[in-house]
Amino acid sequence: DAGITQSPRHKVTETGTPVTLRCHQTENHRYMYWYRQDPGHGLRLIHYSYGVKDTDKGEVSDGYSVSRSKTEDFLLTLESATSSQTSVYFCAISASGYNEQFFGPGTRLTVL
Amino acid sequence: ILNVEQSPQSLHVQEGDSTNFTCSFPSSNFYALHWYRWETAKSPEALFVMTLNGDEKKKGRISATLNTKEGYSYLYIKGSQPEDSATYLCAFGPSGNTPLVFGKGTRLSVIA
Repeated sequence: DAGITQSPRHKVTETGTPVTLRCHQTENHRYMYWYRQDPGHGLRLIHYSYGVKDTDKGEVSDGYSVSRSKTEDFLLTLESATSSQTSVYFCAISASGYNEQFFGPGTRLTVL
Repeated sequence: ILNVEQSPQSLHVQEGDSTNFTCSFPSSNFYALHWYRWETAKSPEALFVMTLNGDEKKKGRISATLNTKEGYSYLYIKGSQPEDSATYLCAFGPSGNTPLVFGKGTRLSVIA
């Protein structure tokens, strides 16, 4: 299995609070991604990174920010969580080439 | 916006039946087509990466074909088993440096 972990695995928080999710990899892959999974929508890309300090927006980036200060860590921050951000969040990594992605175990976030 | 369509949305088959489903993607600017298997409460796992028109890939009872000229890929499962129950995702890659575009998946349920 690709060495990719996410923390926390579960979180319950209240509307308006900041939340940070962490993705950590041991594969030294260049690309890292944050997705959210919602019923009827499949996987939707939030943000991605193509190198240290290099990030770009995905399909559903509003309300989210990311940072990548070192190769192995990609952080997703919800500055002020809303109930619409209740979801399961997946991190993925890929090397260059055909962009085959390896997924982390997911973080279930509930915003009350 | 690139669009990846999967059909059917869901499928119920009896154990031992063979089945297939479709992924449609833009036929221009093709780079790669990925298939993932996603079991409930787990993370998506890569099945195949397909890059050339006419490609056929096989892993056990699961196989896939690719037609880049007309923009579709088929996934086949021969002799379905209950453990094949999962959501099967396809993802289109327009280049090696841009994120994959995922379809919403086909949810397969195999009834014993």
